[in-house]
Amino acid sequence: GAVVSQHPSWVICKSGTSVKIECRSLDFQATTMFWYRQFPKQSLMLMATSNEGSKATYEQGVEKDKFLINHASLTLSTLTVTSAHPEDSSFYICSARLREGLSNEQFFGPGTRLTVL
Amino acid sequence: QQQVKQSPQSLIVQKGGISIINCAYENTAFDYFPWYQQFPGKGPALLIAIRPDVSEKKEGRFTISFNKSAKQFSLHIMDSQPGDSATYFCAPVGNQFYFGTGTSLTVIP
Repeated sequence: GAVVSQHPSWVICKSGTSVKIECRSLDFQATTMFWYRQFPKQSLMLMATSNEGSKATYEQGVEKDKFLINHASLTLSTLTVTSAHPEDSSFYICSARLREGLSNEQFFGPGTRLTVL
Repeated sequence: QQQVKQSPQSLIVQKGGISIINCAYENTAFDYFPWYQQFPGKGPALLIAIRPDVSEKKEGRFTISFNKSAKQFSLHIMDSQPGDSATYFCAPVGNQFYFGTGTSLTVIP
């Protein structure tokens, strides 16, 4: 099956610093990747849709200058949390969309736990 | 507007019992109906999915029942096992993905 990796799996940073999270599709090309955040015991909240070679589309309420997304290749998308603050602490999950014929699946990475002190 | 309503929020089942989770949706443009399983600290994983041209799909102990007219689909876990204890999300797909609120399933040995 399609595999999506994320790096790092967890990160602790000081308030005011920036953190970059990588999302890679390991065995397929993903023209579209998605970034979610998830708070404890809650559902996934879509933050943005990332298309290779173009600007990301952000969901309402998500600050695009704070959450920088770059989809530089068909296998890599990055999310940079700029000037992180404690309220940005969350579980960040990426997914990649697989389109083969009628398939409409998305495959999720293992997630990145961000803790901002 | 809430596109997807999932119930129950939590569920406790004895080992060997049947777990049933329901998902109701509003958008008739959805054309793919998956269920995801998520363990703590991990990303969601596709469990089973169905397309609207069939009413039921079974894969091992997992079954999806789909009622197009009622705009509902459900997940049935037969012979529930402690290893099935996880959070389950429905996430119907059209042009966008919409995640349900999640159901925390606990299977008691």
